[in-house]
Amino acid sequence: KQEVTQIPAALSVPEGENLVLNCSFTDSAIYNLQWFRQDPGKGLTSLLLIQSSQREQTSGRLNASLDKSSGRSTLYIAASQPGDSATYLCAEGGSEKLVFGKGTKLTVNP
Amino acid sequence: KAGVTQTPRYLIKTRGQQVTLSCSPISGHRSVSWYQQTPGQGLQFLFEYFSETQRNKGNFPGRFSGRQFSNSRSEMNVSTLELGDSALYLCASSFGTNYEQYFGPGTRLTVT
Repeated sequence: KQEVTQIPAALSVPEGENLVLNCSFTDSAIYNLQWFRQDPGKGLTSLLLIQSSQREQTSGRLNASLDKSSGRSTLYIAASQPGDSATYLCAEGGSEKLVFGKGTKLTVNP
Repeated sequence: KAGVTQTPRYLIKTRGQQVTLSCSPISGHRSVSWYQQTPGQGLQFLFEYFSETQRNKGNFPGRFSGRQFSNSRSEMNVSTLELGDSALYLCASSFGTNYEQYFGPGTRLTVT
């Protein structure tokens, strides 16, 4: 059974800090790994997609890496801002089905 | 380019009733997926359609059903509603396998 785990469940940091969010998965034959952001009561916003043949993707202050051998992905956020406060979810799979972690709730304090 | 739209945004129903939720994907996307999000279980996959065919189904009872139309719009139906069906129902669309999935704002269903 595919499982995705995100630790920690919650994280609080001061503004300006660089931080790393972790995601681990059990499916060694991973297809894609996608990171999302969810604001309270809202839908999911796609941040980065890493295909199985790739090792990392970057967008602005965000960098996501994928290590299939260890079953891990990390999302690096540089110079965090209060506007980055949200729940970050990782999910593995393709368009036919995504398996989600429970998310990490990030709070960036001014 | 318009994003994924879902209607209605909020819905209140009573136990035993049925409900139909609608999802319009991004133009050109042929894959539509549905997910249920609750505080306890998180995001769980319901089903996925591609070109009007259901390709994958999650572990939900038969009360949950869906369909996709020729214009890629999709509907999901829940019959005989239970209190535990209260959740945020999210729809996602993509071009297909190996492409990003884009989510709509969701439909908040409350069953009383």
